[in-house]
Amino acid sequence: EADIYQTPRYLVIGTGKKITLECSQTMGHDKMYWYQQDPGMELHLIHYSYGVNSTEKGDLSSESTVSRIRTEHFPLTLESARPSHTSQYLCASSPEVWDNTYEQYFGPGTRLTVT
Amino acid sequence: RKEVEQDPGPFNVPEGATVAFNCTYSNSASQSFFWYRQDCRKEPKLLMSVYSSGNEDGRFTAQLNRASQYISLLIRDSKLSDSATYLCVVNYPSGGSYIPTFGRGTSLIVHP
Repeated sequence: EADIYQTPRYLVIGTGKKITLECSQTMGHDKMYWYQQDPGMELHLIHYSYGVNSTEKGDLSSESTVSRIRTEHFPLTLESARPSHTSQYLCASSPEVWDNTYEQYFGPGTRLTVT
Repeated sequence: RKEVEQDPGPFNVPEGATVAFNCTYSNSASQSFFWYRQDCRKEPKLLMSVYSSGNEDGRFTAQLNRASQYISLLIRDSKLSDSATYLCVVNYPSGGSYIPTFGRGTSLIVHP
């Protein structure tokens, strides 16, 4: 079992609220990622990090922000939630391997509904 | 053109059948390749890595064809529990590192 955790698992919140989705891993992995996935659709990378103090935007434009102050923690923040943010958010991590043949380990996801 | 393409299916097969999925990728500099399995409303989990020489894990066989830029997954003797979405993942070069890119997934339904 992967040691990567996400909280909350489910969240229903009103438009305009600020929210932070938490992600933590205890495997010491340098790389961490946030994906957005709508039901039956593909995963879209929205943010990733190579390590502490590193954050990059993914290929899906997102109004969210991330931070990486500690290796094990990679929170995602929405400053003002909108109904279009309703989706499942998946956090993942992977080790740095010299030949890049690394796999990703996923958290259980946060299912967000913005009303 | 999408970077990683899969036939979304669904593939609807009886128990015991053999089924194969393909996945094509567009960047020839891609470094590594994987198949993940995702159950409904769950997170993806690694099924197997795909090596240049091909590899087998029980009923599952993965192949890589770099010349034609595709990978395949073969499932023999399908079980009801194999019903899931199978995601193709390709690690693309980006900014000095490699970033995983997911296909949309192929849905498999195994029926009695």
